[in-house]
Amino acid sequence: DGGITQSPKYLFRKEGQNVTLSCEQNLNHDAMYWYRQDPGQGLRLIYYSQIVNDFQKGDIAEGYSVSREKKESFPLTVTSAQKNPTAFYLCASSPSGQGSGYTFGSGTRLTVV
Amino acid sequence: AQSVTQLGSHVSVSEGALVLLRCNYSSSVPPYLFWYVQYPNQGLQLLLKYTSAATLVKGINGFEAEFKKSETSFHLTKPSAHMSDAAEYFCAVSDGGLSQGAQKLVFGQGTRLTINP
Repeated sequence: DGGITQSPKYLFRKEGQNVTLSCEQNLNHDAMYWYRQDPGQGLRLIYYSQIVNDFQKGDIAEGYSVSREKKESFPLTVTSAQKNPTAFYLCASSPSGQGSGYTFGSGTRLTVV
Repeated sequence: AQSVTQLGSHVSVSEGALVLLRCNYSSSVPPYLFWYVQYPNQGLQLLLKYTSAATLVKGINGFEAEFKKSETSFHLTKPSAHMSDAAEYFCAVSDGGLSQGAQKLVFGQGTRLTINP
C-alpha cells in the first residue's frame, strides 16, 4: 500500500547537534511538506517542496533546512540554530492542485536532552 | 490570509451521545475545508473534505460536516459517539496555492474529544 514513512519515531538530540528526520513517500505525489506540532498551537508549516531540487520556506523555517533530491524523499534537518526544537514533526504530501488535502506520515517526536 | 477557529479545545460527551465539534473559517475566496483526526503519537488522518460540491459531506467512521457559507462554518458531527472516537480533531482550510502548485493548509488549534462510558 502507498503511504508516507517517517523515521525514526523518536529522536533525542543533544544541545548543539544537528539531526535529520527522514520522510519517504510512494504515492507519486508532487508536493511534500514539513509541519511542526506543539501542544495547543496546532500545526505550523516549516518548509514545502513542489518539485525535485526546489523548496520554499514556510512560516517557521528559521533553524531548519531541507533537500529534495528525489521525488520520493524530503528529509528535514533540525540545526543547532533552532533554539526550541523539542516538538512533534509531521511530514505530508499531496498531488498537484487544490482540494485534495494532505496525506500524513506517522510523525517523529524530537526531544532535546 | 485564511484562518481557522475551533471553538473548544476540549469536548467531552457520553458514549452514544451526539458529537459536535465546531469550526469557523475566514477566507477571501471559496475555500476547501478539511477535518482530520489524530490519535496519540500518530499522524493526521483525513476524515472528510469539502470541495464545493455538496454542502453536506460524509466521511469515514460515521462523521459528517456541513458547509454553511453564511455562517463561515464547517462543524463536524456524529450522531452516536463511540469510545474509539476519542482523539484530537483538526479543522483545516485551503483557499489558494503556494508557489508552483503546492497547496497550503491552515490548521485550527485542535479539539480533544473525550468519550465517557
